Amino acid sequence: DTGVSQNPRHKITKRGQNVTFRCDPISEHNRLYWYRQTLGQGPEFLTYFQNEAQLEKSRLLSDRFSAERPKGSFSTLEIQRTEQGDSAMYLCASSFPGWGYTFGSGTRLTVV
Amino acid sequence: DQQVKQNSPSLSVQEGRISILNCDYTNSMFDYFLWYKKYPAEGPTFLISISSIKDKNEDGRFTVFLNKSAKHLSLHIVPSQPGDSAVYFCAASAPSNTGNQFYFGTGTSLTVIP
Repeated sequence: DTGVSQNPRHKITKRGQNVTFRCDPISEHNRLYWYRQTLGQGPEFLTYFQNEAQLEKSRLLSDRFSAERPKGSFSTLEIQRTEQGDSAMYLCASSFPGWGYTFGSGTRLTVV
Repeated sequence: DQQVKQNSPSLSVQEGRISILNCDYTNSMFDYFLWYKKYPAEGPTFLISISSIKDKNEDGRFTVFLNKSAKHLSLHIVPSQPGDSAVYFCAASAPSNTGNQFYFGTGTSLTVIP
């Protein structure tokens, strides 16, 4: 297990299309987070899972966004009807309780 | 509402000298702080942490100082090396019953000049 893995690394999609990203956390970590980072900004929290339970959702996570972690292992983040404003780097992180995160390399989404 | 602020978007330092990166926060409930380093096209990498019960934490060339009364923390890198050139983010979290959501600053781009 070499860390947090995110796929794909890059995604270009047309406005209005749906996209799905995958995150495979470090296997021992029970907490998984999704963050979004736009140019010139720090990462912004989107949502958090403890095992398979989604315990927190940011107001940034509009109705077009949905995240799942069905078996408490990998997670998916889906964006429906993408808009140009969704273009960003989507970061996944995992952790033990009380410890800092380990981030993945991110998925860069470009909506054209 | 930016609860964690890094007011210097960029910093240039000569190799071998000290780099000092600053971070201010507004939420007095924050009790755990992290610094991350980010290279282009990669995710942030954990660098060093400090909890509010300490005012200093050191790890090799990296030292983080926390001034709770001023709501200020800083990262010192001594001596600076060209490989330290990256964007540095500070992050803070408050006690939570559900998770430990971190609030990030906007980052400081450090360039170490050989």
